[in-house]
Amino acid sequence: DTAVSQTPKYLVTQMGNDKSIKCEQNLGHDTMYWYKQDSKKFLKIMFSYNNKELIINETVPNRFSPKSPDKAHLNLHINSLELGDSAVYFCASSPQLAGLLDEQFFGPGTRLTVL
Amino acid sequence: GQQVMQIPQYQHVQEGEDFTTYCNSSTTLSNIQWYKQRPGGHPVFLIQLVKSGEVKKQKRLTFQFGEAKKNSSLHITATQTTDVGTYFCAGPVEDSNYQLIWGAGTKLIIKP
Repeated sequence: DTAVSQTPKYLVTQMGNDKSIKCEQNLGHDTMYWYKQDSKKFLKIMFSYNNKELIINETVPNRFSPKSPDKAHLNLHINSLELGDSAVYFCASSPQLAGLLDEQFFGPGTRLTVL
Repeated sequence: GQQVMQIPQYQHVQEGEDFTTYCNSSTTLSNIQWYKQRPGGHPVFLIQLVKSGEVKKQKRLTFQFGEAKKNSSLHITATQTTDVGTYFCAGPVEDSNYQLIWGAGTKLIIKP
C-alpha cells in the first residue's frame, strides 16, 4: 500500500501550457508539503498545508497554485509553464504531533520536463 | 538567514572504504534528521537526533549530533554498493513546527 502517491510520475509538456500534479497520502497525517528538486538535487520547500490550511508559502511564482480539498490531498497546479520549471516535484506528509517536527514521508516524485 | 551547510558535495569511495558527511547549522537546532535518496528515488527518512551529543547507530551507519546542537555527521563503515545515493540532513526552521531547512546533500559514489 503506497503511503504517499503522486500522479503523474512523468510529465512532458510545452512552454506556456498549464498542468497539474496530484498527491494523496493514506497515513492520516495533518501536514503536507510540495518540494522542488532541481538538477543539482537541492530540495526547496514550496508550500505546506496543515489540515487544509496553507501555512508555508515560500517565494514561488504565483503561476504555482496549491489546492488541498481535504487533508489527505494536496494538488499543485502550474500555469504558463516555463523552461525553468523543469525539475522533480515531490509531495510529502508528516504527522505533526504535539508541535514536534516529525519525519517526512515523500511521494515517488513527478519529473516535469518543459520543452 | 538560517542556513544548513553540508559537506562534501560528492564523495567517491572504493567499496569497503568508509564514508562521512558533515552538516553544520548557523543556528542551534532542536533536532536533526537524516534522509537518503537513492538514484531516481525519493528521500527516505533514516533517523532523528534530538539530544545534545547524541550518537545513534543503525548497522554500519553512525549518526552524531554535536554538543552545541549545531552540527551533525553521518558515518558509514565499509561501504557497500547498496549505500549509493545522496544523503541529506535537515533541521527545523526556527520558530516553526512545520518546516525543515535542508542541507544540499552529499552524493556517495562507489567506485567499482
